[in-house]
Amino acid sequence: RKEVEQDPGPFNVPEGATVAFNCTYSNSASQSFFWYRQDCRKEPKLLMSVYSSGNEDGRFTAQLNRASQYISLLIRDSKLSDSATYLCVVNGDSGGYQKVTFGIGTKLQVIP
Amino acid sequence: GAGVSQSPSNKVTEKGKDVELRCDPISGHTALYWYRQSLGQGLEFLIYFQGNSAPDKSGLPSDRFSAERTGGSVSTLTIQRTQQEDSAVYLCASSRDRGLFEQYFGPGTRLTVT
Repeated sequence: RKEVEQDPGPFNVPEGATVAFNCTYSNSASQSFFWYRQDCRKEPKLLMSVYSSGNEDGRFTAQLNRASQYISLLIRDSKLSDSATYLCVVNGDSGGYQKVTFGIGTKLQVIP
Repeated sequence: GAGVSQSPSNKVTEKGKDVELRCDPISGHTALYWYRQSLGQGLEFLIYFQGNSAPDKSGLPSDRFSAERTGGSVSTLTIQRTQQEDSAVYLCASSRDRGLFEQYFGPGTRLTVT
């Protein structure tokens, strides 16, 4: 099993739709979680951290489910500009040292 | 403030030549990472530096790849005897510390080996 798994998509959704991505992780000792956004031929940029209680930033909501070991990203009222690849990142202890693991990314295409 | 910078932005080299890629992290960030990303693929971890600790080289694909970080700041990734399969975007990222803090990426160096 991969340490961090994401559905690569693509997810094709119409403008205004709500879309959700999940990301599962295998290391139960994982401590911090993030969502990044990567536009085509650009570097990844931090979208938001994921907190245990869940957090929201405008149209974006991130959730953490430690029991089932997954994080989610919900995007409401999708815009054309949301089209990008969304990467989940999981940080945690692995064999006594900190390890950062990126998912392969989920591609989102918002259609007019 | 200034973000992570990388140079050159593009590099075309002939197979068998050596190349050096440079990364300037955000000032004060103690952790520095190198990744590689081939077209349409995910990020591949290469190497990680944290302060004065020994680097984590577990992701380097072969002994043709090496990296150093001088004075806890600037880092150089060196690829010797380049091969066509080394063609990719090489991304550098820095963070306040490893593990718990978010990473900030540079724009990358696009390497093409002909």
